[in-house]
Amino acid sequence: AQRVTQPEKLLSVFKGAPVELKCNYSYSGSPELFWYVQYSRQRLQLLLRHISRESIKGFTADLNKGETSFHLKKPFAQEEDSAMYYCALQTGANNLFFGTGTRLTVIP
Amino acid sequence: NAGVTQTPKFQVLKTGQSMTLQCAQDMNHEYMSWYRQDPGMGLRLIHYSVGAGITDQGEVPNGYNVSRSTTEDFPLRLLSAAPSQTSVYFCASSSNREKLFFGSGTQLSVL
Repeated sequence: AQRVTQPEKLLSVFKGAPVELKCNYSYSGSPELFWYVQYSRQRLQLLLRHISRESIKGFTADLNKGETSFHLKKPFAQEEDSAMYYCALQTGANNLFFGTGTRLTVIP
Repeated sequence: NAGVTQTPKFQVLKTGQSMTLQCAQDMNHEYMSWYRQDPGMGLRLIHYSVGAGITDQGEVPNGYNVSRSTTEDFPLRLLSAAPSQTSVYFCASSSNREKLFFGSGTQLSVL
């Protein structure tokens, strides 16, 4: 069975500091992984996906199949990055399985 | 183009009452799904549909029914509400395997 683990419920960093949100997964098939973000009073939205290998709002995430991880990183956190972040694993039929989320707070 | 529209935004029910959460999308997406969001548990998949006339169960389907008579609509029914169903419910849709579009959510309280 699939499983997505985000070990940190809360993460606080100072503005300008590096940030890393951890995500580990368990899945017997070929994983497709995503990061979704929910800003205050906004809808949940896609931040980035591993297959595109893109950088969005300064965030990057690399799929490490050996460590079964997909950590989200940003070298210099900004106040507007404060939000709830969800790591998600896609299985067959387009279903997304989400982790429990990490609430990031960037301290000015 | 409104995207994914959910109604109502807020609802309070008494135990045993029934209700339907509405979800509609205007993007002609084949795939639609319902999630519930609970503190400390993230989003959990309730039911999903890969096209009109096709529905299937997700992780936590008990106590919920769905139907998909049209591509646009995917209502979620609670037949006999229980306090354990107090949650925030999100509908989502997708045209491919790359991106889910979410509604703004329905906050449901069952007393």
